[in-house]
Amino acid sequence: EAQVTQNPRYLITVTGKKLTVTCSQNMNHEYMSWYRQDPGLGLRQIYYSMNVEVTDKGDVPEGYKVSRKEKRNFPLILESPSPNQTSLYFCASRLLDTDTQYFGPGTRLTVL
Amino acid sequence: DAKTTQPPSMDCAEGRAANLPCNHSTISGNEYVYWYRQIHSQGPQYIIHGLKNNETNEMASLIITEDRKSSTLILPHATLRDTAVYYCIVRVGVRWGAQKLVFGQGTRLTINP
Repeated sequence: EAQVTQNPRYLITVTGKKLTVTCSQNMNHEYMSWYRQDPGLGLRQIYYSMNVEVTDKGDVPEGYKVSRKEKRNFPLILESPSPNQTSLYFCASRLLDTDTQYFGPGTRLTVL
Repeated sequence: DAKTTQPPSMDCAEGRAANLPCNHSTISGNEYVYWYRQIHSQGPQYIIHGLKNNETNEMASLIITEDRKSSTLILPHATLRDTAVYYCIVRVGVRWGAQKLVFGQGTRLTINP
C-alpha cells in the first residue's frame, strides 16, 4: 500500500532533550516536506527536500533540522526542543512533476 | 497564489449531496483549483483539482464557473466519514517546482445522521 509513515505518533518530552521524528514513504517520491499545524495558524511548512541531499527551508525552519540521505526517508530533528514547538507535525511527499501531495498520519509532540 | 474564501462551517444530511463553495475572484489563467480535506487531526487528503473544466473522480466532482472566479466541490452522497475540514487552494501548477501548499482555514463540514 502506498503510504507515508511517521514515528512516533505521539511524543511527550522535556525542554532541551534532542528528538527525531522519522518519516518514510514507499512511493519513490522525489519531493518530501514537513509541516506543523497549530490552532488558528493552519499548516505551515518547516523544511522541504526536492531529492536526496537537497533540502531547503520553508516558512518556519527555526529550531529544526532535516536530512535526506535516502530517497524514502526524511527525518525531522529537534536538537533542543522548546515548548513553542509543541504542535501537530505532518510529513508529506509527492512526485516532482505532480501536485498531489500525500500526507502522513501526523505526530503530536508536546514539549514540557 | 490567489486568495480563496470559504464559509467557516456547513452541515449536510447523510446521504445527501454536500456542495462546498469556494470564491477565488483573483485567480489567474495558469492557476489551478485544488481541494484537500482533513479528517480530525489526520493528515490532509487530496480530493480533486482542475483548471477550467469540470472534473470528477471517485471521491467528488469539481465545478468551476466559466469566469473561474468560484468553484464548488460536490460530494454526491455524503456519509458520516466525510465529516472533515475541506480546504480550497488555488495555485500555479507545480511542474518541477518547489512550491508548497498553502492551507487556509477551510470549511468544517459536518455530516449529520
